[in-house]
Amino acid sequence: ILNVEQSPQSLHVQEGDSTNFTCSFPSSNFYALHWYRWETAKSPEALFVMTLNGDEKKKGRISATLNTKEGYSYLYIKGSQPEDSATYLCAFVPGAGSYQLTFGKGTKLSVIP
Amino acid sequence: EAQVTQNPRYLITVTGKKLTVTCSQNMNHEYMSWYRQDPGLGLRQIYYSMNVEVTDKGDVPEGYKVSRKEKRNFPLILESPSPNQTSLYFCASSFRDINSPLHFGNGTRLTVT
Repeated sequence: ILNVEQSPQSLHVQEGDSTNFTCSFPSSNFYALHWYRWETAKSPEALFVMTLNGDEKKKGRISATLNTKEGYSYLYIKGSQPEDSATYLCAFVPGAGSYQLTFGKGTKLSVIP
Repeated sequence: EAQVTQNPRYLITVTGKKLTVTCSQNMNHEYMSWYRQDPGLGLRQIYYSMNVEVTDKGDVPEGYKVSRKEKRNFPLILESPSPNQTSLYFCASSFRDINSPLHFGNGTRLTVT
C-alpha cells in the first residue's frame, strides 16, 4: 500500500484568511494526482486531476500546484469562506497503466465566520 | 441528471448473511470502483473495474466480491459479512481511466452485528 500523506490533519482559519495544505506522495513513479472536496454528510467532489510536473490548476478561489520530482502537491484557498469548510482529500495514481488510486487521510478545514 | 446511484443508503445486517450493495451510473463511464471509509484510515480502494468483465483488486479486497456484467452496474457483494466490514462504502466512476475525475455515489452505511 502506497504512502500518501496530507498535512495538516486539521486547520481552523478565520473568514477571509488564505490557507494552504500539502499532499505528499512517492516521487519515484507518478501518473496522476487528484484533489477532492468532501463536505460532511455528502460525497467527495472532484476539484482537480493533475498529471504534469509543474501543473497549476485553478477553480475560483481554489488552486493547486504539482511537483512530481519531489513528490508533493499544494492546495491553496484564497480568502476562505465558511462554505469552504470541508475535508480536502488528495489521491495518488502510480505509473502509467495503473488503475489503483490511493487516498490520503485528508485535511479538515474549518472556516470561522 | 448525470449521477452514480448506490443502494441502499443504510443497511444493518447480521454476521454471515449475504448482502449486495448496488451501484449504477448513467454517464457511460468505463471505470468504476468501490471504497470504504473508516475513521482515521481514509478512503481505501476495495475493487475496481476498467470495463465490462474486467475487474481487479484494490488495497483491501478480502471478504468482498464484485462483478461487471454491464457497463452501468458494479455491485459489491459480501458473501459472509463480519463486524469488521462495518463501514461507510462509496462507489465511484470515471469516464475512461484514472486520469479522469471520479464521480462518487451518495454512500452506503453498513453495520454488521
